[in-house]
Amino acid sequence: DTGVSQDPRHKITKRGQNVTFRCDPISEHNRLYWYRQTLGQGPEFLTYFQNEAQLEKSRLLSDRFSAERPKGSFSTLEIQRTEQGDSAMYLCASSPRTGDTQYFGPGTRLTVL
Amino acid sequence: SQKIEQNSEALNIQEGKTATLTCNYTNYSPAYLQWYRQDPGRGPVFLLLIRENEKEKRKERLKVTFDTTLKQSLFHITASQPADSATYLCALPLYNQGGKLIFGQGTELSVKP
Repeated sequence: DTGVSQDPRHKITKRGQNVTFRCDPISEHNRLYWYRQTLGQGPEFLTYFQNEAQLEKSRLLSDRFSAERPKGSFSTLEIQRTEQGDSAMYLCASSPRTGDTQYFGPGTRLTVL
Repeated sequence: SQKIEQNSEALNIQEGKTATLTCNYTNYSPAYLQWYRQDPGRGPVFLLLIRENEKEKRKERLKVTFDTTLKQSLFHITASQPADSATYLCALPLYNQGGKLIFGQGTELSVKP
């Protein structure tokens, strides 16, 4: 499968715990995006990378959130001290360059109890 | 700031009819617009991209129009089938912000046999 993959698909955690999600983009796509989606809403932009450089972060991304793309390939999104309001679907997308179609992964569904 | 609005109510139609979904945007002049399909619990799947200099684009039973004067895009599914039941998302890229996408809230389409 050469599409975008995300792991895990589902994560249930208790409030206050840390969680980390992984995204593997389509090979050779240098742009990687993270979005968050809550029920009944469209995805909202969180952050994006061009190769290993994180170029923009949304105001939605509080200090508890951190994202990396260490070698310009896969990316991780970590949430520290999770809160119930963090419960959402976290989506990753990649594209070859700005202006190209973004291809989305299946998402990671986070539930914070 | 940029804003996108889609039909907020779910659309219910009979199999074989044409479904028409609306996407309106404000405070922006996008170079292109995209439509995605999203099934429950899955990531969005890219369907069509239409550029500002294209009035209409077709792909199999799908047709998209783009009226930059009205700031509106219409998405049509002809000869609809129950398998077309899903949520359809309209998205605009912010080209000067790394191409991140702004999404509408989505329109849920239900095609009844």
